[in-house]
Amino acid sequence: QVTLRESGPALVKPTQTLTLTCTFSGFSLTTNGMCVSWIRQPPGKALEWLALIDWDDDKYYSTSVKTRLTISRDTSKKQVVLTMTNMDPVDTGTYYCARGLYRGFDYWGQGTLVTVSS
Amino acid sequence: EIVLTQSPATLSLSPGERATLSCRASQSVSGYLAWYQQKPGQAPRLLIYDASNRATGIPARFSGSGSGTDFTLTISSLEPEDFAVYYCQRRSNRPPFSFTFGPGTKVDIK
Repeated sequence: QVTLRESGPALVKPTQTLTLTCTFSGFSLTTNGMCVSWIRQPPGKALEWLALIDWDDDKYYSTSVKTRLTISRDTSKKQVVLTMTNMDPVDTGTYYCARGLYRGFDYWGQGTLVTVSS
Repeated sequence: EIVLTQSPATLSLSPGERATLSCRASQSVSGYLAWYQQKPGQAPRLLIYDASNRATGIPARFSGSGSGTDFTLTISSLEPEDFAVYYCQRRSNRPPFSFTFGPGTKVDIK
């Protein structure tokens, strides 16, 4: 079955770089049409899409945070990594990885809460 | 940038009632709109993709309609487990891919 699981630090300081890892199973990211995205949600607020990596290793970013993000993959480890530089308290929230593109985000991880505070 | 607006912000209904949720886009998204349900402390769950296609395992009481800029999610008869927040989400239809979520509609028990 398809599963995704996020991992990373629960607490980062302002100006630091956040690195999150999504470890997935049950599908191959090199299969045509497969994609993994990162999506975040500040406490009590709406969802925000951040970045996507596709089956061809093409990468797409939200324009609002594009300059701070890097998404990459390790297909042998079945992992997708997101780095976000220059973290700020407004970046506090739950970060999800999710599979999908053309038919919606059909599988999600449980999310990881990241707090930005000194 | 395409902005999604959802209405109402909160919908207070009783079990068994019909729920009608609206999502409006600032410009046409064709039919590339999805709906998600999120309960407290849980990840979102895909309900509908491409405006009207139910995702795998989604009960028939959930239906989606619309195209262009106006979309509707209908829950024909609310079950106790349907009280949650619902988000719409658009995607671009070709690269460069981008996605936008709406602000959400909370369906709570009257």
